[in-house]
Amino acid sequence: SYELTQPPSVSVSPGQTARITCSGDALPKQSAYWYQQKSGQAPVLVIFEDSKRPSGIPERFSGSSSGTMATLTISGAQVEDEADYYCFLTDSSDNHSGVFGTGTKVTVL
Amino acid sequence: QAQLVESGGGVVQPGRSLRLSCAASGFTFRNYGIHWVRQAPGKGLEWVAVIWYDGSDKYYADSVKGRFTLSRDNSQNTVYLQMNSLRAEDTAVYYCARDVQKAFDLWGQGTMVTVSS
Repeated sequence: SYELTQPPSVSVSPGQTARITCSGDALPKQSAYWYQQKSGQAPVLVIFEDSKRPSGIPERFSGSSSGTMATLTISGAQVEDEADYYCFLTDSSDNHSGVFGTGTKVTVL
Repeated sequence: QAQLVESGGGVVQPGRSLRLSCAASGFTFRNYGIHWVRQAPGKGLEWVAVIWYDGSDKYYADSVKGRFTLSRDNSQNTVYLQMNSLRAEDTAVYYCARDVQKAFDLWGQGTMVTVSS
């Protein structure tokens, strides 16, 4: 299998932009998915296929991917965006198993 | 509305077995693959396994291969995760999640499994 590396933490003031990176050799071959997990809750999908936003997810969440890095951007972060964020990739060898990134704690204060 | 509910967690001794269930409602269950994802206390998410919409294919993480087995009963809208030869490192909250073109768009609330003597 492979690894996806994320920074352990990102801090941002309310209204500022938070960028969370996910790096790994498999990224050029597979789309990235991003999940938000608030304390004590199940994860929620916030970005799929690198840059698409599910219905109900605020427009301030966006995603991009280039080469071996995918990025989740929160433009104008709100206090309620404070959470752990995980990237996820499907394993290209079978296209069905997968790996989560190491996770990033986003603090908004 | 669409919902997944996990059950079957608990405290079990190392080497013993446990079966988790993931019950679905509010959507056409037989059309979707179901994944299991776990989270050890204070740790990150770990993908565990997936079963195809019709049960024809299953994939497992290396950490559980040969010990965990997935099955599903589409008439009961339920997926089962049979966990054998449990180890302390299997201690985690176990979530099931619905697969929509590789995105996990619906998650259950999780069930806690503790492996301890």
